Amino acid sequence: AQKITQTQPGMFVQEKEAVTLDCTYDTSDPSYGLFWYKQPSSGEMIFLIYQGSYDQQNATEGRYSLNFQKARKSANLVISASQLGDSAMYFCAMRVTGTASKLTFGTGTRLQVTL
Amino acid sequence: DTEVTQTPKHLVMGMTNKKSLKCEQHMGHRAMYWYKQKAKKPPELMFVYSYEKLSINESVPSRFSPECPNSSLLNLHLHALQPEDSALYLCASSLTRDRNYEQYFGPGTRLTVT
Repeated sequence: AQKITQTQPGMFVQEKEAVTLDCTYDTSDPSYGLFWYKQPSSGEMIFLIYQGSYDQQNATEGRYSLNFQKARKSANLVISASQLGDSAMYFCAMRVTGTASKLTFGTGTRLQVTL
Repeated sequence: DTEVTQTPKHLVMGMTNKKSLKCEQHMGHRAMYWYKQKAKKPPELMFVYSYEKLSINESVPSRFSPECPNSSLLNLHLHALQPEDSALYLCASSLTRDRNYEQYFGPGTRLTVT
């Protein structure tokens, strides 16, 4: 069975600072994908970044980067230069390749960006 | 364009009503999904359609009935719901279901059952 753990229920960061949101995962399958989604209070889940288990380099998308440490089974999201609009719930998710499309989500981290 | 649209945005229905949620995407995606999300919880998968055929039903009660009329549309028909079915219902799509393609979500329908 797959499991995603997000141990930070809430985080605060000052505007323009960088913040790291933690995510650890557990699977015995060698092929999997890791995803981060942002969910503002409006409800929409916004795809941010993807990391494949065989990818050699850490994924980056604009201000988002994924710190992928395979041996430690961690996939932390780093947001650089935080903006007020980054305040939202952030979910880490995993899909094991070949398992019927099921995304396993963590419990989420609520990020608040302050002035 | 990575847009998934959902209507209505909000829905209030009684336990004896019949209503439908609609989802649409024009990205050429061949996999579409329904999720249910309770407050302060992660989304839970309900159904997966692949090439317009139902491929996964996560043991969802029969009062929820999905339908995929074509590759762009996904409906969720609701009948005789219970108050505990009140939640945010999210639709998502991905290129296919076979690989780790990212899923794109719609804005959701906030359902209240009275």
